[in-house]
Amino acid sequence: KAGVTQTPRYLIKTRGQQVTLSCSPISGHRSVSWYQQTPGQGLQFLFEYFSETQRNKGNFPGRFSGRQFSNSRSEMNVSTLELGDSALYLCASSLARGDGETQYFGPGTRLLVL
Amino acid sequence: DQQVKQNSPSLSVQEGRISILNCDYTNSMFDYFLWYKKYPAEGPTFLISISSIKDKNEDGRFTVFLNKSAKHLSLHIVPSQPGDSAVYFCAASEGNTDKLIFGTGTRLQVFP
Repeated sequence: KAGVTQTPRYLIKTRGQQVTLSCSPISGHRSVSWYQQTPGQGLQFLFEYFSETQRNKGNFPGRFSGRQFSNSRSEMNVSTLELGDSALYLCASSLARGDGETQYFGPGTRLLVL
Repeated sequence: DQQVKQNSPSLSVQEGRISILNCDYTNSMFDYFLWYKKYPAEGPTFLISISSIKDKNEDGRFTVFLNKSAKHLSLHIVPSQPGDSAVYFCAASEGNTDKLIFGTGTRLQVFP
């Protein structure tokens, strides 16, 4: 069974631009979560989607948004990019929402904002 | 406020010996704990998990121990192998959610 896939793997943008990242969960997984990893802040939760509904959101500004489609694929969007948005963005999927289901991570998208 | 803490940023262990990685948490509502292994520029790889109703879970060379009263968990790797060299993160979640709170990670180096 294929793992979590994320596209693109690498991205370079300039300040003020916007970016959309894509995540395809493991087949059959219905829950998708997004995380940001930076050297200073570590791994931080962005948001969680289940059945096309956002169930949880981390402490990030409104410039960060996401959505989930009926096939469980998910996208996250960052508008008006800032230098501090440079990070590794990770997507994780699980079989169902909560109840101790293990999340499996994709390889991440490395975003560099210049 | 760091709810999940890994106080040792690095650990060096000889091949064949035991590696013990520690993690402390402050939120008593956490009821599911996981350990992930991570290489640079890659996503975390799931290693082992434990529910708060247990105090030990074992999978091959990996064993996780949970001490709820001390709000402490540890990952034991026996025997350690050079391929285990990576950054290890503990993570916790509470209730009916997939939101994971991660520790800051411990870099494990296993030398021959």
